[in-house]
Order: sequence, then C-alpha cells, then structure tokens
Amino acid sequence: GAVVSQHPSRVICKSGTSVKIECRSLDFQATTMFWYRQFPKQSLMLMATSNEGSKATYEQGVEKDKFLINHASLTLSTLTVTSAHPEDSSFYICSARRTGFGNTIYFGEGSWLTVV
Amino acid sequence: GENVEQHPSTLSVQEGDSAVIKCTYSDSASNYFPWYKQELGKRPQLIIDIRSNVGEKKDQRIAVTLNKTAKHFSLHITETQPEDSAVYFCAASIPNFGNEKLTFGTGTRLTIIP
Repeated sequence: GAVVSQHPSRVICKSGTSVKIECRSLDFQATTMFWYRQFPKQSLMLMATSNEGSKATYEQGVEKDKFLINHASLTLSTLTVTSAHPEDSSFYICSARRTGFGNTIYFGEGSWLTVV
Repeated sequence: GENVEQHPSTLSVQEGDSAVIKCTYSDSASNYFPWYKQELGKRPQLIIDIRSNVGEKKDQRIAVTLNKTAKHFSLHITETQPEDSAVYFCAASIPNFGNEKLTFGTGTRLTIIP
C-alpha cells in the first residue's frame, strides 16, 4: 500500500527558533502534498497545498512567510515553522495524493510540535 | 469554497449495535467523499470512500451512502466492536484539474460501550 512518512514525530524547540518537518511518499510519486494543522479534539485544518516544482498555495489566514513550504522532488515536501512561538504548538500532518490511483490521499504519521 | 458539516460530534453505541454518522456538503460540484478514522495522536486512516457516480459502497462492516440531490453522505458501521472507537472525519473534494483538495468535517468521536 501507499506509505507516507513524516519526520520528526515529536519535536520541542525554543521560542524564536525554526523547525523543519519532512513529508515523504515512500513508494509512490506525489506531485501534490498537503499540510494540515490539528488542534486537540478539532478537525484537520488545511494550511497549504504543496506542488512539486512550484510555489505552495496557502489557505486564507496562513502566513506564508512563517510557514515555509518546499516541494523540491516528487517524493518530498518540507514545512518549516520560522520564528516559532508557543501558539504554534500543534499537531502538524501532511498528506500526499497518489496520482493515477483514484487520486487517493494518504496521510503521514503527524508531527507534534511543542514550542517552549 | 466547500463547507462540510458533520453530525453528531459525539456518539456512544453499545457493542454490536450500528453507528451512523452524517455529513452534508455545500458545493454540488464535489465528486469525491472519503471517510477517515483517526485514533488519538495518530494519522487519519482512509476507511472507505465514494465517488459521485455511485450511491452506495460497502466494505465488510462499513458502508457509505451518498445522496447527491440532498448533498449529504453517511457512514454506517454495523456490528460495532471496541476497536471501532475513534474519531471519524468525513471529507469532500471538488474537481479542479488535478488540484483537488479535501475539506474535512468537524469529526465525530465514536465510543463503543462493551
């Protein structure tokens, strides 16, 4: 089956620093990946759509300069949270669309970010 | 854009009974409706999906029905088991030339009572 790997699963960083989260499609190519944020007991909120070789498309209200997305290859997208603050602490999940297989979307394991 | 509403937000069902979760969507152009199961702190897992060209799909104890006219779709779980306890999310997707994105419902916390 299609596997999407996300790393790190948990990260703690200090306020003001930046942290990078990776999302990899292990056994398929993904021209499109998505980044979500999920607060406890809430739904998944789409932050941005990442397209290989082009700029990401951000949802309304998401600061593109704070949440940098890079999709440099067909199997890797990265999310960098810059100048992190405690309110950025959340569960971040990526997903990847498996092109040609009904365009089914598969999720990564998620990354718990804690900013102290 | 698309708006997806999901009900109920919490649902408790006796083991062995059936559970039904309902979602409505706003954009009649939506054509893909997946359901995900998410356990605490883990990734959402696709459990079943349906496309707008069919009205019902079944996979063992899980079924999904779609009413395009009313713009609603439902998840049915029969013979529920304790391991069915989780949060379930519905989603809808509008065709957009390969740039489709999922809009999620607010989730239903399903608890199976042994």
